[in-house]
Amino acid sequence: DTAVSQTPKYLVTQMGNDKSIKCEQNLGHDTMYWYKQDSKKFLKIMFSYNNKELIINETVPNRFSPKSPDKAHLNLHINSLELGDSAVYFCASSQTSFGYTFGSGTRLTVV
Amino acid sequence: AQRVTQPEKLLSVFKGAPVELKCNYSYSGSPELFWYVQYSRQRLQLLLRHISRESIKGFTADLNKGETSFHLKKPFAQEEDSAMYYCALGASGSARQLTFGSGTQLTVLP
Repeated sequence: DTAVSQTPKYLVTQMGNDKSIKCEQNLGHDTMYWYKQDSKKFLKIMFSYNNKELIINETVPNRFSPKSPDKAHLNLHINSLELGDSAVYFCASSQTSFGYTFGSGTRLTVV
Repeated sequence: AQRVTQPEKLLSVFKGAPVELKCNYSYSGSPELFWYVQYSRQRLQLLLRHISRESIKGFTADLNKGETSFHLKKPFAQEEDSAMYYCALGASGSARQLTFGSGTQLTVLP
């Protein structure tokens, strides 16, 4: 069983579209995250979320929004996609420590 | 604010040679430091954490609070060690967010 799974693995879409990336974890962790890895391989936190609080990185455009239907899922919704949104997006989860478990990533290409 | 610096974007060594990937951090509190590894087009995996003081795949890292460093070392590099290595800093707080360095791409040459 995959601990943190993301779908889709690849996503190619046109500018201006709205898309979602799904993330599910079966580890029973209480906190989930979204990270963006840009073309230079730099990893940047976008959101962290548990059932008590959502913390948003202030540099993330409000076109990005996390949605958590339950503790095991944290989806990423992106409105009005732009060329600069092209990147690999990683979901992760953790419990009491900082030992994250990462998903395999979603490679988003905006054309 | 916390910051992690990995000064080397690219590092190449020959197989069997020692390797050291540098990491410096800036944080006013008590840090938790980690190394993550990402093999080509795969997910990030936790390599080791400073509180464990463990050796994984022959790699070790010692937290030096005086120099605010957490360098990753291996005495004899192997070709399968070629990957992207990220140093990460965990700061206190409910979010448990990790701040990552910019990464070092290690290539071990035959």
